[in-house]
Amino acid sequence: DAGVIQSPRHEVTEMGQEVTLRCKPISGHDYLFWYRQTMMRGLELLIYFNNNVPIDDSGMPEDRFSAKMPNASFSTLKIQPSEPRDSAVYFCASSFSLGLEIETQYFGPGTRLLVL
Amino acid sequence: AQSVAQPEDQVNVAEGNPLTVKCTYSVSGNPYLFWYVQYPNRGLQFLLKYITGDNLVKGSYGFEAEFNKSQTSFHLKKPSALVSDSALYFCAVRVLPGDDKIIFGKGTRLHILP
Repeated sequence: DAGVIQSPRHEVTEMGQEVTLRCKPISGHDYLFWYRQTMMRGLELLIYFNNNVPIDDSGMPEDRFSAKMPNASFSTLKIQPSEPRDSAVYFCASSFSLGLEIETQYFGPGTRLLVL
Repeated sequence: AQSVAQPEDQVNVAEGNPLTVKCTYSVSGNPYLFWYVQYPNRGLQFLLKYITGDNLVKGSYGFEAEFNKSQTSFHLKKPSALVSDSALYFCAVRVLPGDDKIIFGKGTRLHILP
């Protein structure tokens, strides 16, 4: 398996532009997580899905952020409009449930976003 | 409130010496605990986890962690450090049994000195 795939790996944009980050989870995984990592705030959970349904979006910082999962093999995180303080590394992770247990999360390589 | 703490921002260890990276937690109910490692410009990689059973958990790359319920700790250890172990290490805890989220600590940067 190729693991979790994220694109683009790097994104440089100007303030006010729309940014779309993409994620393909590991085949067969039914959970998908979006995280943001910065030096100041560390690793933050933004939102997660189970079977394509958003379960908890309490970590989404503002209405400028939105996430979708139209099918089991694809998710997007959109920022519109982007601001310099959104600059961070955004990670996608996936896992599968085993009974009532949630197993290990597998992380993608991340998208490094710079908003000028 | 559920939380996990890594009291050290950075740990320096000479190559060949034993290493310990500390983690303490606070949860309601039984804790599910994890260690992840992040190498430069990479995503996090799973090292090991404790769900139930033996308090000493063995993981990847020769790492192990000891679950101590009385001290609410889950310290990461390795008997002999390698320079290649230099990375950022995250402790994480499952919020509640039945909840799908895990909370990550702020991370500890481990430097192994040649």
